[in-house]
Amino acid sequence: DIQMTQSPSSLSASVGDRVTITCRASQSISTYLNWYQQRPGKAPKLLIYAASSLQSGVPSRFSGSGSGTDFTLTISSLQPEDFATYHCQQSYTTLTFGQGTRLEIK
Amino acid sequence: QLQLQGSGPGLVKPSETLSLTCTVSGASISSSSHYWGWIRQPPGKGLEWIGSIYYSGSTYNNPSLKSRVTISVDTSKNQFSLKLTSVTASDTAVYYCAMEGSMGAGIRVFNYWGQGTLVTVSS
Repeated sequence: DIQMTQSPSSLSASVGDRVTITCRASQSISTYLNWYQQRPGKAPKLLIYAASSLQSGVPSRFSGSGSGTDFTLTISSLQPEDFATYHCQQSYTTLTFGQGTRLEIK
Repeated sequence: QLQLQGSGPGLVKPSETLSLTCTVSGASISSSSHYWGWIRQPPGKGLEWIGSIYYSGSTYNNPSLKSRVTISVDTSKNQFSLKLTSVTASDTAVYYCAMEGSMGAGIRVFNYWGQGTLVTVSS
């Protein structure tokens, strides 16, 4: 299986901050990389697919980039509703997720 | 509006079989070109894909669980189900059902999710 490693595991930030979360694959996955947001007690929600394509209805402050093994999710200006856990997921081979990055209010 | 509703026992004894069902509303499983999947999340941990099924009954599963997993579909009830045999405490998790969509060129995503069902394995 392809291992997905996210960093950091947790992050504290303030409203209005620019935040970047990284996801690294154990082997090249081209752009077969998706990002999800999960609020406490809720199911994950798709944010970004194919590394950089914004899912319909997702605010434009979210963006994704990368290819091969290294990917980033950026939130340009944090809003209160963005404090959540973020997961990456690859679909190059057997579907696997990263361990999650918890974004907390500073 | 597509909705998925998972259901099943919240407590299963060790060595027994975990059984969950997901009921789909707002779309017909048999007229959709999507796969339907199960994903789980142990308390405080990340997500793990379990497996997915097409309305025809074609399945593909996570090799790490494959020998213990059976996923089936009942198009007459617009439902799909998960059975996980020989459970242990490490199978304690929130189990989500979800629609697996293709965004083209093999990009597979889960774009609709059920609310999640907490299953605890304990005697």
